[in-house]
Amino acid sequence: AQSVTQLGSHVSVSEGALVLLRCNYSSSVPPYLFWYVQYPNQGLQLLLKYTSAATLVKGINGFEAEFKKSETSFHLTKPSAHMSDAAEYFCAVSPNSGAAGNKLTFGGGTRVLVKP
Amino acid sequence: EAGVAQSPRYKIIEKRQSVAFWCNPISGHATLYWYQQILGQGPKLLIQFQNNGVVDDSQLPKDRFSAERLKGVDSTLKIQPAKLEDSAVYLCASSSRTSGRLDEQFFGPGTRLTVL
Repeated sequence: AQSVTQLGSHVSVSEGALVLLRCNYSSSVPPYLFWYVQYPNQGLQLLLKYTSAATLVKGINGFEAEFKKSETSFHLTKPSAHMSDAAEYFCAVSPNSGAAGNKLTFGGGTRVLVKP
Repeated sequence: EAGVAQSPRYKIIEKRQSVAFWCNPISGHATLYWYQQILGQGPKLLIQFQNNGVVDDSQLPKDRFSAERLKGVDSTLKIQPAKLEDSAVYLCASSSRTSGRLDEQFFGPGTRLTVL
């Protein structure tokens, strides 16, 4: 079974500082990997996804993530935090084949607080 | 293009009562998902429909939860009777599920259920 672990349930960063959110996955074969953002009282919005093409994936709002197979990681970064980045971020994994190819398993989430 | 619609947005009930949630996916999306998101956790898939057939309901507590997607469009999720631990946000998502291709899931705003 696949699983996702997000290190740190809360992260506080200063405006303009680097944002780093950690995600490690467990899977017998390299899966598809995703990062979603959830603003208060809203649904989830896809930031970016890894589907076995380039290991460095660029997403919306200046975010990017790097797939590292040797470390089973897919950490999310943004060079300079903005106040509008305050939200909860979820890492998710999906099998990369078969009928279950769209089944997402989410991590516990990391809430980001941006300080002025 | 209209997004995924859900209603109601909020619902408060007492334990042992029944409740139903409604979801209208993005037009033309064949696959529909219901997720349960308990406070402080990532979403958990309850059930996945492909058109009006169930693809995966392995995590649906079938003794109290039921879902249907008549005519392959709208869907309803019902809880009968509700328990305190059912307090959560229930998210609906849809994807176009083109065969052989990983498709993005688009999420609705969710229904926040409080069971007293």
